[in-house]
Amino acid sequence: GENVEQHPSTLSVQEGDSAVIKCTYSDSASNYFPWYKQELGKGPQLIIDIRSNVGEKKDQRIAVTLNKTAKHFSLHITETQPEDSAVYFCAARYTGRRALTFGSGTRLQVQP
Amino acid sequence: NAGVTQTPKFQVLKTGQSMTLQCAQDMNHNSMYWYRQDPGMGLRLIYYSASEGTTDKGEVPNGYNVSRLNKREFSLRLESAAPSQTSVYFCASSEVGGDNEQFFGPGTRLTVL
Repeated sequence: GENVEQHPSTLSVQEGDSAVIKCTYSDSASNYFPWYKQELGKGPQLIIDIRSNVGEKKDQRIAVTLNKTAKHFSLHITETQPEDSAVYFCAARYTGRRALTFGSGTRLQVQP
Repeated sequence: NAGVTQTPKFQVLKTGQSMTLQCAQDMNHNSMYWYRQDPGMGLRLIYYSASEGTTDKGEVPNGYNVSRLNKREFSLRLESAAPSQTSVYFCASSEVGGDNEQFFGPGTRLTVL
């Protein structure tokens, strides 16, 4: 089916450590993979995205990598800070679909 | 700019009651979406509107109806609420196409007793 699997569901790290969240998708023709961050009581907000013609994209402490052969993509957060604590969602746009399919979310807790 | 606004923020209904969730955006976006968020299940698409005058079913449309009133407004209606519709509902908007950033509203927390 057209789902996106996301792991882990919860992640706890010490401040300053790195955090990695992984997602897999099923349609090899998918071409757009965004990551959203949801803070408590708010709607999700886009933090970074990647398209299928590149393998990696960085924005300061955040990076996303895409492995099209294995059909998975990952979010990497380096030098984590307490304000990185939130729920993170990956998503993919499947071929022929106008909307995104979201993963189930990862709750990241950064311990000071 | 207010971005995407939703009303109400909270609502409690009894089984069988009806209600409409309102959503408006001031970014001149063509596409609008309604999602529900349940614990451990992420965001699931209920309905979306690619452009004014069009609506399409998403992953979980049963029990809901939508109206794209104009380019700014997209409402979600529960005709006969059920406990299974207890959830947090998010509206979002974007430029046309599934590979553009979606801007989300603050959500409506709905409880059906």
